[in-house]
Amino acid sequence: SQTIHQWPATLVQPVGSPLSLECTVEGTSNPNLYWYRQAAGRGLQLLFYSVGIGQISSEVPQNLSASRPQDRQFILSSKKLLLSDSGFYLCAWSRQGLAGTDTQYFGPGTRLTVL
Amino acid sequence: GEDVEQSLFLSVREGDSSVINCTYTDSSSTYLYWYKQEPGAGLQLLTYIFSNMDMKQDQRLTVLLNKKDKHLSLRIADTQTGDSAIYFCASGSYIPTFGRGTSLIVHP
Repeated sequence: SQTIHQWPATLVQPVGSPLSLECTVEGTSNPNLYWYRQAAGRGLQLLFYSVGIGQISSEVPQNLSASRPQDRQFILSSKKLLLSDSGFYLCAWSRQGLAGTDTQYFGPGTRLTVL
Repeated sequence: GEDVEQSLFLSVREGDSSVINCTYTDSSSTYLYWYKQEPGAGLQLLTYIFSNMDMKQDQRLTVLLNKKDKHLSLRIADTQTGDSAIYFCASGSYIPTFGRGTSLIVHP
C-alpha cells in the first residue's frame, strides 16, 4: 500500500531564516506530487505540483520554491522566511495517467510558525 | 477559474443525520470528492463519486450528485462525536479545486 510522509511535523522559525520541508511517498512509482498551504481561513492553496523529477509548476508567485530531486521526494524551500509564510503545509500525491485518475492522497502536514 | 462553494459551519445533535452541501462550477469534472480533516491532521479521502453517477452509498455515508445544478452533498447517517471535523468538497478533471471546508460540530 502507499504511504506519504512529511517532516518535520511542527516547526518554529524566525523571520529571515531558511526553510526546508520534505515529503516522501512509498509504494508507488512516478506519482504526481503537490504542495498546498492551508492558512487560518482553512482553504487549500495549491503552491506547486510536479509530474516528474525536476519538473515543477508554480501556481502562485511567492517566497517559496520546490524541488523534486528523486521520483518520490518533494521538497519545499525558502531562502528567507516571511511572517506570512506561517501556515499548515500539506503534501499530496496522485497517480499519473488518464483523466479521472487524479484522486489526491494527503500527508499528515507540517505546522510552520514564523516569528 | 473553477470555484467550489460550501457553507462554513454545520451543527447537529449526536444520532441525527448531517447533510453537507457543495456547489461547483467545473462541468468537466470527472470525479467529485469528499475529504475529512481532523484537528492538526492532513486530509483523509472519505469517498468520491464518478460524474456519471447520481448517488453512491458507503456505510453511513451517502453522496448525491445533481450534475445539472452542479450540486454535491454528503449525508452522514447517525452522526457521532467522532464525525466532528472539517469536510472538504473537491472537483476537477486534472488537479482538483477544493472548497473552504465545512466545520461539522456534533453535540450531545
